[in-house]
Amino acid sequence: AQSVTQLGSHVSVSEGALVLLRCNYSSSVPPYLFWYVQYPNQGLQLLLKYTTGATLVKGINGFEAEFKKSETSFHLTKPSAHMSDAAEYFCAVTKPGGSYIPTFGRGTSLIVHP
Amino acid sequence: DVKVTQSSRYLVKRTGEKVFLECVQDMDHENMFWYRQDPGLGLRLIYFSYDVKMKEKGDIPEGYSVSREKKERFSLILESASTNQTSMYLCASSLTGVNAPYEQYFGPGTRLTVT
Repeated sequence: AQSVTQLGSHVSVSEGALVLLRCNYSSSVPPYLFWYVQYPNQGLQLLLKYTTGATLVKGINGFEAEFKKSETSFHLTKPSAHMSDAAEYFCAVTKPGGSYIPTFGRGTSLIVHP
Repeated sequence: DVKVTQSSRYLVKRTGEKVFLECVQDMDHENMFWYRQDPGLGLRLIYFSYDVKMKEKGDIPEGYSVSREKKERFSLILESASTNQTSMYLCASSLTGVNAPYEQYFGPGTRLTVT
């Protein structure tokens, strides 16, 4: 069975500071990994994904994430936070060739202070 | 552009009413999902469907049913709404296939309040 742990239900940063949202997973095989973002009163939208190939993946709005197999991690980063980045962020995994139903983390709320 | 639409953004219903939440996708996706989202609990899967007229229970199906008569449409039904079903409901769709990455596309959500 897969599981996803997002460390910290809330992360607070100042505008212009580094954003780091942590995601660790457990899976019997290297999974497909996703980050989704949810702005207030909206649905989730895909921020970035890792399937195969280069382990550093770039997404929308300047975000990127690195798949580290040895650490079973897929942390999300952005060099400089903007007020518009305030949102809920969800990490998710699926099993290649297996169930297409993702396992989601519980989410991390990113708070950006001016 | 990929699109998942939900019939209502906000809905207020009375206890005991039958409630229909509609979801339509225009991407010809095989898979469709209904989640509910509550603070601190993340997304919880209610039902999903991998084909027309096919449905499978998710993690919290009690009190809900679904219908998928056409590929693009997936309906969630609350047979007799209760106050503990007050929540945000999210519909999603995805492709299927051995090499599909299974990323999901979400609708904007329906915030349902049962009084």
